[in-house]
Amino acid sequence: DAKTTQPPSMDCAEGRAANLPCNHSTISGNEYVYWYRQIHSQGPQYIIHGLKNNETNEMASLIITEDRKSSTLILPHATLRDTAVYYCIGDGGGDMRFGAGTRLTVKP
Amino acid sequence: SAVISQKPSRDICQRGTSLTIQCQVDSQVTMMFWYRQQPGQSLTLIATANQGSEATYESGFVIDKFPISRPNLTFSTLTVSNMSPEDSSIYLCSVSDGFLGNQPQHFGDGTRLSIL
Repeated sequence: DAKTTQPPSMDCAEGRAANLPCNHSTISGNEYVYWYRQIHSQGPQYIIHGLKNNETNEMASLIITEDRKSSTLILPHATLRDTAVYYCIGDGGGDMRFGAGTRLTVKP
Repeated sequence: SAVISQKPSRDICQRGTSLTIQCQVDSQVTMMFWYRQQPGQSLTLIATANQGSEATYESGFVIDKFPISRPNLTFSTLTVSNMSPEDSSIYLCSVSDGFLGNQPQHFGDGTRLSIL
């Protein structure tokens, strides 16, 4: 799995877009970029994943650079319930390796 | 996505004892994994539970300490043996439907284990 680098923490105002960056410069061609989040005392929750193209679902959007060395997870209208640790993972199949993630705090 | 149930959700155990954690999925899945999350830390993969064969352990984890069973495509157990306070962690089960990279894993809510 690719090594990923994320900022340890970020703040976002409620109702604004939260943009969480991730560097994965060593990602290989067959590895997908996955995003999960973990709210205190719960198991990680799958958010979104992509290979090359940008992706959007009901939770978030994933923007992957053309060279695939970095990506950004966008929560379009952050709410207080989006406060969590967000993990970016490069995965080519099977097991997943979690880094330290970004602790996002959404403030009123 | 699959619904994953772990039992027990939490437990407090005496050192030297063993505890078996169960993971039940509401549908057949290809792959099942066990993770550990130590206090304030990220998740660390313990092993991949293989149906009908021995689990595949990550570096630093051994079968004698963390025996794993997977008798079918919907159920797995993880035993934490001869527990010490250092084993106090959250243990999480996850599942996915494929070997290739295009299948997300889904996690249970974990078993919070405290060793006295």
